[in-house]
Amino acid sequence: SQQGEEDPQALSIQEGENATMNCSYKTSINNLQWYRQNSGRGLVHLILIRSNEREKHSGRLRVTLDTSKKSSSLLITASRAADTASYFCATALNAGNMLTFGGGTRLMVKP
Amino acid sequence: NAGVTQTPKFQVLKTGQSMTLQCAQDMNHEYMSWYRQDPGMGLRLIHYSVGAGITDQGEVPNGYNVSRSTTEDFPLRLLSAAPSQTSVYFCASSYFGQGVYEQYFGPGTRLTVT
Repeated sequence: SQQGEEDPQALSIQEGENATMNCSYKTSINNLQWYRQNSGRGLVHLILIRSNEREKHSGRLRVTLDTSKKSSSLLITASRAADTASYFCATALNAGNMLTFGGGTRLMVKP
Repeated sequence: NAGVTQTPKFQVLKTGQSMTLQCAQDMNHEYMSWYRQDPGMGLRLIHYSVGAGITDQGEVPNGYNVSRSTTEDFPLRLLSAAPSQTSVYFCASSYFGQGVYEQYFGPGTRLTVT
């Protein structure tokens, strides 16, 4: 079974609205990462948050991490049509050598 | 820098054939990995390497072999292709410290096994 699970599986919003995606995981982690994938392309790293951090910002992205609930959220503010993509969370376990991906959230931003 | 490159971009194989997917990176990253992505799903780790001469299995290693003779290259070999191996394959690399950090992905190889 996958370590990370995203929610919702699909999200459709209007341009200018905010988009929130959630990720839950099962075991202790070293860090949690968010990636973006445009259709037919490879994944692009967006942001990494370490287990001792609670919140991180990068441009219009805001990531939170709640290790007590084993969950993270990715907020994209003032969304644009170009934000249309699939977003994946990935977790790196403590003392582990693997990065495990969730199933992704498909975001559609309508102009 | 070219980043992570993969060849070929597309490949069609018949059941039972073997082939090698090539992956190279020019960022001097210690960590390299191979994933497969099936339609509408996330990525599953096949094999990974934390340095030249060191490889290990991921979640779905059966039917695949890897080697890491140099820092730059990490080829993935399909021993005897099966239709269940139809997928998109991604290679990725990153630096490696006390864990796995941000990964740089190649453009992918779309493999169809008939």
